[in-house]
Parts: sequence; structure tokens; C-alpha cells
Amino acid sequence: EIVLTQSPATLSLSPGERATLSCRASQSVSSYLAWYQQKPGQAPRLLIYDASNRATGIPARFSGSGSGADFSLTISSLEPEDFAVYYCQQRSSWPRTFGQGTKLEIK
Amino acid sequence: EVQLVQSGAEVKKPGESLKISCKGSGYSFTSYWIGWVRQMPGKGLEWMGIIYPGDSDTRYSPSFQGQVTISADKSISTAYLQFSSLKASDTAMYYCARTMSGTYYFDYWGQGTLVTVSS
Repeated sequence: EIVLTQSPATLSLSPGERATLSCRASQSVSSYLAWYQQKPGQAPRLLIYDASNRATGIPARFSGSGSGADFSLTISSLEPEDFAVYYCQQRSSWPRTFGQGTKLEIK
Repeated sequence: EVQLVQSGAEVKKPGESLKISCKGSGYSFTSYWIGWVRQMPGKGLEWMGIIYPGDSDTRYSPSFQGQVTISADKSISTAYLQFSSLKASDTAMYYCARTMSGTYYFDYWGQGTLVTVSS
């Protein structure tokens, strides 16, 4: 089973700042990695798929990069609604797995 | 409009059985995988398993294999997650979600079903 390790566990930033979240896989997942956003009391929302493709309706301030075992999600300028928990997920091998999440909180 | 509507919250006792549902609409139900994701209170997302309603091909995470059963009834566009003997540790929010075409990422999610197991 591929283990995804996200860092940091918590990231404290202010609106307007740039956020960079990391996801590292225990083995290569090629580019088969997605990012999700989850706000309290809501289901997750797909942001990025296959490492760098924005899902439908996702603002351009969200971008993904990486391949192999190291990936990043960048939010170029934080909006108040971006403070949430972010998860990565791989589809390279069975079972599909999620990272443990990074909480992005307002500083 | 694609929608996944899950059954309502459940309160059960340890040892009881339970089957929760997820009804899809607004798309071809038999053409997309449907998965189940667990979220224990205050914790992260856990990938449980997935089913292709077109032919009932089902894959489980080893962590959940034998603990739950995933099924689907394509005649009514509904997927199910079944527990045969609930434990307190099954207390969680359970989400169903549809995979994006050609991938195994979840692009549409149900609203979640909260299952509480308590004596």
C-alpha cells in the first residue's frame, strides 16, 4: 500500500499570502495524484487531478506540481474561503490512498 | 446535474447490522465507479473501496476487506455500504463519491451519512 505523507500538519498564514502544501509518496505514483479541499461540515471537493490539472470550476490561484514521489499544491494568494483542510490522493496502485491532511488556518 | 444523495443518519448498537445507500442521478450510473470514504470524528479521509455498477467489479482496501460489503443495484442507480456487525469504532461519517471519467479520483460527492454506534 502506498503511504502519502503530507506536510506540514498545520500551516498558519494570512489572507493574501502564498501557501505551499506538500505530499510525499512512499513510492513513485508517476503523476497520478489529486488534491482535495474539505471545509468543516462539508464533503471534500476535487481541486487538482493528475498532479497539475485543475478540476472544473477551480480558480486559477490553485496549482499543482510534481511527479514521482514529491508533489506540491500552491495557492498563490489566499482568499478567506481557502482556509480548510487539504488532502492528497493517489490512483497509481490499489488500494487508492489519501494523505493524512494539512490544515490551513488563518494566522 | 450530477447528484449523489445518501441515506440519513443512523444510530445503532454494537453487533447490529446496517446498510447505507447512495443514489446517483444526472449521469449514466453504470458508466462510473462509485467509492466509499470513511471519516472518523476529527480525523482524515480513508479510502474504503469502490464498485463499478456496470458489472459490479469491486475493489476493497485491505483495511476494510471483510469488514464491509460494497454493492450496487443499477436498476435503481443506488450503491450500498453494508456492515454485518457494527462496532463502536465504526462510528464515523461515510461519504460516497463518483469517480471522474478515466480516473479514480472523486469528482462528485454525496452529503455524507453519519453512523453512530453506541450501547
